[in-house]
Parts: sequence; C-alpha cells; structure tokens
Amino acid sequence: GEDVEQSLFLSVREGDSSVINCTYTDSSSTYLYWYKQEPGAGLQLLTYIFSNMDMKQDQRLTVLLNKKDKHLSLRIADTQTGDSAIYFCAEASYQKVTFGTGTKLQVIP
Amino acid sequence: NAGVTQTPKFRILKIGQSMTLQCAQDMNHNYMYWYRQDPGMGLKLIYYSVGAGITDKGEVPNGYNVSRSTTEDFPLRLELAAPSQTSVYFCATKDRAHEQFFGPGTRLTVL
Repeated sequence: GEDVEQSLFLSVREGDSSVINCTYTDSSSTYLYWYKQEPGAGLQLLTYIFSNMDMKQDQRLTVLLNKKDKHLSLRIADTQTGDSAIYFCAEASYQKVTFGTGTKLQVIP
Repeated sequence: NAGVTQTPKFRILKIGQSMTLQCAQDMNHNYMYWYRQDPGMGLKLIYYSVGAGITDKGEVPNGYNVSRSTTEDFPLRLELAAPSQTSVYFCATKDRAHEQFFGPGTRLTVL
C-alpha cells in the first residue's frame, strides 16, 4: 500500500528557516499536501502542490517536490513561536489521502 | 456555516460497550472520511464515503461500521469497544477540489 514517511521531530530557533521533509511511495499521487495540527485541534491545510509542479511559494511557505525521488519538503521562512505544531505530509491518489506520521516542530524563542 | 462538527468531544467506554460517534457537515460535500490518530502517529483511514448510500473500507476498518443515509451525516459505530480503539477520531469532508476539512475530533478512551 501507500506509505508516507517523515522525521518525528525538528527544533529551530525563532527567526531561522525550518525545513520539514517527507518521502512517499505512491507514484500515482495527484496532489501532495502539508497540514498543520495545533494541540487539541484537527488538521488544517497549509498548502498543497500538484504532482506536475516542482515548486510552490505562498508567503513564508515554500514547497519543493522532487517527483523522481518522491521527496517533498516544506520550508518555513522566519519561523515564529506560533509555528510550533505538528506538520503532516499527505499524498492523494484517486479518492484517498494517505498521511505521514507527522513532524513536531519546536520553535525556541 | 458550522463546517464539520463532531460529537461527543470526549468519551470513556468500558470494554464491550458500544457507541456511535457523530459527524455532520453543512458544506454539501460528497466525500466524507473517518480517521483515527493514535499518540505520536499519523492518521489512519477507517472508512470513507463518496456520497449518500456509498461507503467503503479504509486501512483499519475492523471493529467499526459506518452508514451514509444523507449527504450531511456520517456516523461511525463501535459495536464491542476494545482498549485498542482508544484513540482520537477525526471526521473530514472534501468536495471535488482537493482540500479536506477536518472536524475538531472525538477523544475516546476504552478501559
């Protein structure tokens, strides 16, 4: 079946850039997503990229997709304490979305 | 618009009890999903539905049942609760576009 992998934890200093990485196995993925989950809350869509794109920028967020290596990354510029959360990578094919295990981002003031 | 609502927010069950987790949406989305999230883990798909009257199994359907008699409601039924079903349950919807909208979750503990 489909598999999506992420590292579990990332710690950065406030003001630095954060880069969260993700790998996936399903070559038929159509969309790839980044979701943010704050404590006690559901998931909120941050950004997405269509599978025929290499890069997407949205304010402080930059998504890079290497389709050949099935590698997705999320870069957060000027990371703030409010960015502390768990970030989930997800890939969609047909009717289903498969989520990674999540990366907990800790921002140190 | 309320979006996606889930009830209850919290529940403690004894082994062998049954319960229904409610999910309702007012966005007229065809696709609805139930996920469980175990501590430190990602979301696992339990069941999904592509429209009223149509449901299908996800990755981890055992021990659960669903129905979809209307577009708005997608209840998840646990018939014989087991400790392994202790988790946070999220309902989500999606229209023809790509974004899923998540409810706030139901935290279930089975003792």
